[in-house]
Amino acid sequence: NTKITQSPRYLILGRANKSLECEQHLGHNAMYWYKQSAEKPPELMFLYNLKQLIRNETVPSRFIPECPDSSKLLLHISAVDPEDSAVYFCASSPGQPSNERLFFGHGTKLSVL
Amino acid sequence: GQQVQQSPASLVLQEGENAELQCNFSTSLNSMQWFYQRPGGSLVSLFYNPSGTKHSGRLTSTTVIKERRSSLHISSSQTTDSGTYLCALGTDSNYQLIWGSGTKLIIKP
Repeated sequence: NTKITQSPRYLILGRANKSLECEQHLGHNAMYWYKQSAEKPPELMFLYNLKQLIRNETVPSRFIPECPDSSKLLLHISAVDPEDSAVYFCASSPGQPSNERLFFGHGTKLSVL
Repeated sequence: GQQVQQSPASLVLQEGENAELQCNFSTSLNSMQWFYQRPGGSLVSLFYNPSGTKHSGRLTSTTVIKERRSSLHISSSQTTDSGTYLCALGTDSNYQLIWGSGTKLIIKP
C-alpha cells in the first residue's frame, strides 16, 4: 500500500524523543494512530476527524499527536518506556469513524532498549 | 463479556481446501470489516460489509445482522492465504472499532 506512507519503518530507541510521520494520498477526512503489540489486535490511540482530535484516555501522556494538515499525521514520543515496544500503524478512512472502510499504512516497528 | 468473538482461534488446512472463519457479535452494528495480516506485515482491508454478501476473487464475506454474525469464506485455499484474519465491528455508540481476537490460518502445501 503506497497510498499511506509511514516513516521510519524501524526505530530503535533508548530513552530518547522521536517523531513518527504519516501521509495519506487518499483524500480521506479521518486519520488514526494505532498501536499493535505482538499477537494482539490493534488498539486505537488517537483519531483526527476533520482535524478534530479524539484521544484514547488510556494512552500515556508521553505520546502527543499532531495533524499539521488533513493529509499528514505525526506522533511525537518522549522518554519511551520498554512497554512502548510495538508496531505503530497510521490509518485513514473517508469519513465518520466506525462507519467507513479503514486503510492502514505499513507501520513503524518501535523497539525500546 | 466480549462484544466480538472470532472463531476458530486457529485453523490448519491443506492447500485446496476451503476455509470458513466466523465473527459473532453481541452488540448492534453499524459496520463490519475484515482484515488480513501476514506476520510482520500491515493490515490489509479485505471487505467492508455491514450487511449481505460480497465477493472478491476466492473470498466471500457474508454478514447477517439478525443472526449477529459475519463470516469469511476462502475457497480453494493457497499457501499464500496463510496469516491472521481479523474482523472489526463499528457501532453507533463508540467511535472506536471493536476488534475480534483473530483467526490464525495456516495452509499447508
